[in-house]
Amino acid sequence: GQQVMQIPQYQHVQEGEDFTTYCNSSTTLSNIQWYKQRPGGHPVFLIQLVKSGEVKKQKRLTFQFGEAKKNSSLHITATQTTDVGTYFCAGEVAGANSKLTFGKGITLSVRP
Amino acid sequence: NAGVMQNPRHLVRRRGQEARLRCSPMKGHSHVYWYRQLPEEGLKFMVYLQKENIIDESGMPKERFSAEFPKEGPSILRIQQVVRGDSAAYFCASSLLPGNEQFFGPGTRLTVL
Repeated sequence: GQQVMQIPQYQHVQEGEDFTTYCNSSTTLSNIQWYKQRPGGHPVFLIQLVKSGEVKKQKRLTFQFGEAKKNSSLHITATQTTDVGTYFCAGEVAGANSKLTFGKGITLSVRP
Repeated sequence: NAGVMQNPRHLVRRRGQEARLRCSPMKGHSHVYWYRQLPEEGLKFMVYLQKENIIDESGMPKERFSAEFPKEGPSILRIQQVVRGDSAAYFCASSLLPGNEQFFGPGTRLTVL
């Protein structure tokens, strides 16, 4: 079945450092979504990427969809303690009844 | 506009009892998804429902688990004869259209003693 992989599962950075994480799918995706979950909270939608090579920015966050639509990246510039949480990518395969397959997420901790 | 609502937020059951988890989607949303999350794990898709129909239940165990989304009222995820391995956080999400962003509820944390 379809797999969405996020490696590593944990990353620790110093406040102010940049952070990049990647998401890889075993199959071509129709779109990819990113969510953030704070400790004890629920996932919150961040962004959706649809087009091959698409890049979207949200303040210090930059999201990119790969040319082959099988991978994506999230880059955070100058991390802050408010960036702490688990970031999930979720891919949708065309014709798969709009089912999203989530990666295991990457938990980011930021040292002040 | 109220978000996705789930109740109860916490549920404790003894082995063999039934657990009923409720989800009210955002107003106007007719697409509902249920996910299970174990500690240190990602979200595992269970079932996708549209009003009165199960669209995809490929992630739901064949036995003891069932889901419904009636014409009136919330979506219900029902777990019969719960076992310790059912302890997890169960999240419901809704979307306006299939493939759109999903709005998640606060989750129900089920503990089986």
